[in-house]
Parts: sequence; C-alpha cells; structure tokens
Amino acid sequence: DQQVKQNSPSLSVQEGRISILNCDYTNSMFDYFLWYKKYPAEGPTFLISISSIKDKNEDGRFTVFLNKSAKHLSLHIVPSQPGDSAVYFCAASAYSGAGSYQLTFGKGTKLSVIP
Amino acid sequence: EPEVTQTPSHQVTQMGQEVILRCVPISNHLYFYWYRQILGQKVEFLVSFYNNEISEKSEIFDDQFSVERPDGSNFTLKIRSTKLEDSAMYFCASSGGGPAAFFGQGTRLTVV
Repeated sequence: DQQVKQNSPSLSVQEGRISILNCDYTNSMFDYFLWYKKYPAEGPTFLISISSIKDKNEDGRFTVFLNKSAKHLSLHIVPSQPGDSAVYFCAASAYSGAGSYQLTFGKGTKLSVIP
Repeated sequence: EPEVTQTPSHQVTQMGQEVILRCVPISNHLYFYWYRQILGQKVEFLVSFYNNEISEKSEIFDDQFSVERPDGSNFTLKIRSTKLEDSAMYFCASSGGGPAAFFGQGTRLTVV
C-alpha cells in the first residue's frame, strides 16, 4: 500500500538556502494534505496543510504547493535553519463523513540543515 | 500551549499480557485517534473515536484492540493479549474538527 510516497529518504541543505521536500499520492479521493515534522523521541508536529481546492498555502517560512493533475505536493522551507533538521512526513486524508479524518502517511524525508 | 500527553513513555510487557496505553487529549478537542509506527515503517492509522464511539478503524485494529474514554479527560488503548508484532511506537492524537490532528509524544511498546 503506497498511497502516499516520499521518494527521498534524506535531504541535506545549507543553512539559509531553500529546502524542497516532495510527496506523491495515488488516491484521487484525498481532499486534504498535511506536512508534519518529527524530532527523535517526539510525536509528529503539525506544520501546514492544504485543501485539494487550492494550489498553494503559505505560513511564514513554510509554503506547500499542490499539483492535483500530477498528484504531487511539495513543501518549501525558506530560509532553512539548523533547527529545521528533522524527519518530515507528508500525510493525506479523505473525509469519512463522521467528522474524523484518517491520515495516510508517507515514509518521511530526513532533512539535515548544515550550518 | 495545549498538548496531548501520553503515559507511559515506554512499556515492556510479556507476550500474551494485556497492556493499556493512556492519553490525555487536548481539552476542547472532540476527535481522538490512535496511530502506530513499527520501527522503520510508516505511521499507520488504527482507530478514530468521536462522541463515545469508534467512527473508523483500520484492519490492524482487530478484536485484540479496544479503546475507551473512561472519564472526561483520558483516552485509552487496550491490547488484550499482546504479540511480538505489536511492538511499536503508539501515538495518540486529537483534533477539534478538521484534518489536522495533534499528536502526543508516543508510547514505545516492547513485547518480549
């Protein structure tokens, strides 16, 4: 089951440069996409989300882009900071009707920001 | 900042024993979830809970698993008879509605 795929297990970026993390999905029923950040020994922390009716959402240094026709989304972090070093998970959800949203996660990309 | 808290942080149990993992969701949230992550694998959905009943569950969530909200603050996951393959990080999450769920720090369950 590979409904959400993050094909790059790791990414290294210089401090101050842009980090671009990519995610692909296969299920056309997904209507929300989310990015989570995870440090070791902690739970995933919600970063930013985007509805399937939009193609861009921005929050400070974080921007998520959605290309529905390509079933692809990306997270841009600019400028990257050493504190951004973590594992980033892409997640997608389809509303089930009862108010709850089941999240389907990718395997994650480990981002290292080099000072 | 409100957060989801989970206890214990690490639980070691013998195969066949029952375990209860505990969570205190964010106080004004209405939707509660359990996810798990087996070492080296994806975070996987187990179950969602709303209005004192299960709203969705995955095929992982078989008869060995149950959830309960015993009072106004706690949300528990019970595994009746643990197997070696239940060893994983278990994450509780909650949301106020909408797709963004807020996760606890996890409980590492080790079945020996």
